[in-house]
Amino acid sequence: GAVVSQHPSWVICKSGTSVKIECRSLDFQATTMFWYRQFPKQSLMLMATSNEGSKATYEQGVEKDKFLINHASLTLSTLTVTSAHPEDSSFYICSASRTSGTYEQYFGPGTRLTVT
Amino acid sequence: DAKTTQPPSMDCAEGRAANLPCNHSTISGNEYVYWYRQIHSQGPQYIIHGLKNNETNEMASLIITEDRKSSTLILPHATLRDTAVYYCIVRVAGTSYGKLTFGQGTILTVHP
Repeated sequence: GAVVSQHPSWVICKSGTSVKIECRSLDFQATTMFWYRQFPKQSLMLMATSNEGSKATYEQGVEKDKFLINHASLTLSTLTVTSAHPEDSSFYICSASRTSGTYEQYFGPGTRLTVT
Repeated sequence: DAKTTQPPSMDCAEGRAANLPCNHSTISGNEYVYWYRQIHSQGPQYIIHGLKNNETNEMASLIITEDRKSSTLILPHATLRDTAVYYCIVRVAGTSYGKLTFGQGTILTVHP
């Protein structure tokens, strides 16, 4: 159990376009989902915390109008990178937290975004 | 959340035990110790967590010192597939909104 999927696994887009990444918890309900970004040879950096049915909470320095997050159900959160630029090229990873127990987080496989 | 300190890299021979240390001297009473690992170009994988007692599961054992200021993750019989970056994180559990703050972790290389 505790499987989290992401789609797509990789995407290449042109500068100025928008890209949507989906994060799904496949076998459990997740009140809270998290979005991280990871640049090469660096650690994961938390971008935002997403709660089902409410607005996301963004970390300092993350532009909420550029990285749109929607958490419409207990199993799905989406991240839309709007007007993407080459510097947005990164590895985007989501995680989902169980709604009970000790609330450990389970991570998706990540999405590799390349903006040309 | 409390900060953690880990060695940047470690080596281990295949089949031997890998012991990964972590210092968390400012840990609070309600913070758990979590371990995750990240194999290259994949999402992190949950390994184990604990509060103050030693814990064991099918992947690893977690030894926490009595004062809780440090811990050791033990992979009893390391394989080549255990080569990864291992992250030690302290976090308040019992809430779904508890953030995980990743440090630089320890790059474990298991060699034949």
